[in-house]
Amino acid sequence: QQPVQSPQAVILREGEDAVINCSSSKALYSVHWYRQKHGEAPVFLMILLKGGEQKGHEKISASFNEKKQQSSLYLTASQLSYSGTYFCGSSPLAGNQFYFGTGTSLTVIP
Amino acid sequence: SQTIHQWPATLVQPVGSPLSLECTVEGTSNPNLYWYRQAAGRGLQLLFYSVGIGQISSEVPQNLSASRPQDRQFILSSKKLLLSDSGFYLCAWSVAGVGSYEQYFGPGTRLTVT
Repeated sequence: QQPVQSPQAVILREGEDAVINCSSSKALYSVHWYRQKHGEAPVFLMILLKGGEQKGHEKISASFNEKKQQSSLYLTASQLSYSGTYFCGSSPLAGNQFYFGTGTSLTVIP
Repeated sequence: SQTIHQWPATLVQPVGSPLSLECTVEGTSNPNLYWYRQAAGRGLQLLFYSVGIGQISSEVPQNLSASRPQDRQFILSSKKLLLSDSGFYLCAWSVAGVGSYEQYFGPGTRLTVT
């Protein structure tokens, strides 16, 4: 049930771009993205409800391909504050369960 | 505004001892409530979720249990802790609905079983 994310870890220099992918084996109703700083609780970034819909948050955007059951998170012109672990989260078409992906550790260096 | 509380923040318990973690939400009614566990350096594992008072769904068979005695109170319990129960326990709430609303997390409880 747990979505699989890739890559597992990525290191960027400030200003570089990154893409994090999330793939599920189940049909999805929605995809969420969260960021977790070390030792803290995850913080909501964005949610995608419709297939193909892209949403943005400052320099972070995401897409959701409903047919392929995949989502991607795009981070452009990365900043030091983007460092953390990124999790996608998905909800199946039926039910109130919610499953987080395997996580992607992102480190931005000066 | 909505607020979610969890306590205690940290806990060190011996193997075989009982456990009770509490989570309360303020500023909303009839929320969906969730318990997650995160082992060191790992992802978030859904343990239980609840859509209403007394309605608990378990995702992983284990020695943990959950209860929702009041609309905005969610309790995680164990009669006898195992070493493998160590981890970061997170409570979260969302607006009731089928996965279409963001989850808001409490500060978490870091449990070490010795």
